[in-house]
Amino acid sequence: EVQLVESGGGLVQPGGSLRLSCAASGFTFSSYEMNWVRQAPGKGLEWVSYISSSGSTIYYADSVKGRVTMSRDNAKDSLYLQMNSLRAEDTAVYYCVRDRWLLSAFDIWGQGTLVTVSS
Amino acid sequence: QSALTQPASVSGSPGQSITISCTGTSSDIGSYNLVSWYQQHPGKAPKLIIYEVTKRPSGVSDRFSGSKSGNTASLTISGLQAEDEADYYCCSYGGSPTFVLFGGGTNLTVL
Repeated sequence: EVQLVESGGGLVQPGGSLRLSCAASGFTFSSYEMNWVRQAPGKGLEWVSYISSSGSTIYYADSVKGRVTMSRDNAKDSLYLQMNSLRAEDTAVYYCVRDRWLLSAFDIWGQGTLVTVSS
Repeated sequence: QSALTQPASVSGSPGQSITISCTGTSSDIGSYNLVSWYQQHPGKAPKLIIYEVTKRPSGVSDRFSGSKSGNTASLTISGLQAEDEADYYCCSYGGSPTFVLFGGGTNLTVL
């Protein structure tokens, strides 16, 4: 079964840091581009970042650029999102998402992990 | 760039057809045939139902169809069923530096 499982969410104070992880299974992880997409409570979807299959190309949304770093470890079938200088507006469910190809569509979604930024 | 524009809500009776519009600009929807649609039930992760404007992933009902004209994409659901009640999001590739735009979402109520 194709599956993405996120972990690492939780409560963090403004200005703090958090590292999200995503474990992939059921497909050849190293062949796929991946993304993070977030959803604030009661709000819509917002694309956060993209990484190519090799990890050599990474894109970020302007809202997080300079504060987050996306990476992957193909040997471990894992995806990561290092989040620094967190703000209240970063509070959201963060989804690990598989890309069909080059941001054309997102075909497999994890269950999400909740990040809450609050004092 | 701003998010794509969708109606906040639509409704229909079982068996009817509804259409959800998604309006962008010449820089996103108008420039690329890379519009996708997602269905999200409460408390669940989104599910891809349409990609590349008109294509359906394996396992998605043929009651769902997509189209595009100019800067506006549309999702049509025919033969409405109670299980179709959900939020629907459109999405488009927007090129650099925006890359990806989502619509604000449309809540579908099956009366």
